[in-house]
Amino acid sequence: DAGVIQSPRHEVTEMGQEVTLRCKPISGHDYLFWYRQTMMRGLELLIYFNNNVPIDDSGMPEDRFSAKMPNASFSTLKIQPSEPRDSAVYFCASSLKGQGMFNEQFFGPGTRLTVL
Amino acid sequence: GQNIDQPTEMTATEGAIVQINCTYQTSGFNGLFWYQQHAGEAPTFLSYNVLDGLEEKGRFSSFLSRSKGYSYLLLKELQMKDSASYLCAVLDSNYQLIWGAGTKLIIKP
Repeated sequence: DAGVIQSPRHEVTEMGQEVTLRCKPISGHDYLFWYRQTMMRGLELLIYFNNNVPIDDSGMPEDRFSAKMPNASFSTLKIQPSEPRDSAVYFCASSLKGQGMFNEQFFGPGTRLTVL
Repeated sequence: GQNIDQPTEMTATEGAIVQINCTYQTSGFNGLFWYQQHAGEAPTFLSYNVLDGLEEKGRFSSFLSRSKGYSYLLLKELQMKDSASYLCAVLDSNYQLIWGAGTKLIIKP
């Protein structure tokens, strides 16, 4: 398996522009997670899906952020409009439905977003 | 609230042993994970503990005491490539992973 795939790997944009991050989870995984990581705040869970349904979006910073999962193999995280404080590395992770050890999350390589 | 504490940074010498501690207070407990994250890369799985005691995996071992809300990751025979951040994460009663801020480990020759 290719693992979790994210695109783009790097994104530089200007304040006010729309940004779309993409993720393809590992085939067969039921859960998909979007994280944001910064030096100041560490790893923060933004939202997660179970079987394509958003379960908990309490970590989404504000209405500028939205996430979708139209099918089991694709998810997007959109920021509109983007702001400099959104600059961070955004990780997508997936896992199997289960207990204990099966909750191991497999992370994609991340998208490094810079908003100027 | 839910809280996981780890030291922010530790320094150790190549070939030595280092212990990274993690204490937690969460709503329920269904296991504890340790992840390794090299600079500029994604976190990768190291270990999982759900029962008290020590789990050994090569140079790395992880210990858990549920009654004390405490875990540690023990790294032996340190190598330069072990320089990374080590993240502690607890699976709570809702099977959600609660992440610590991570411990940056610096290995010196």
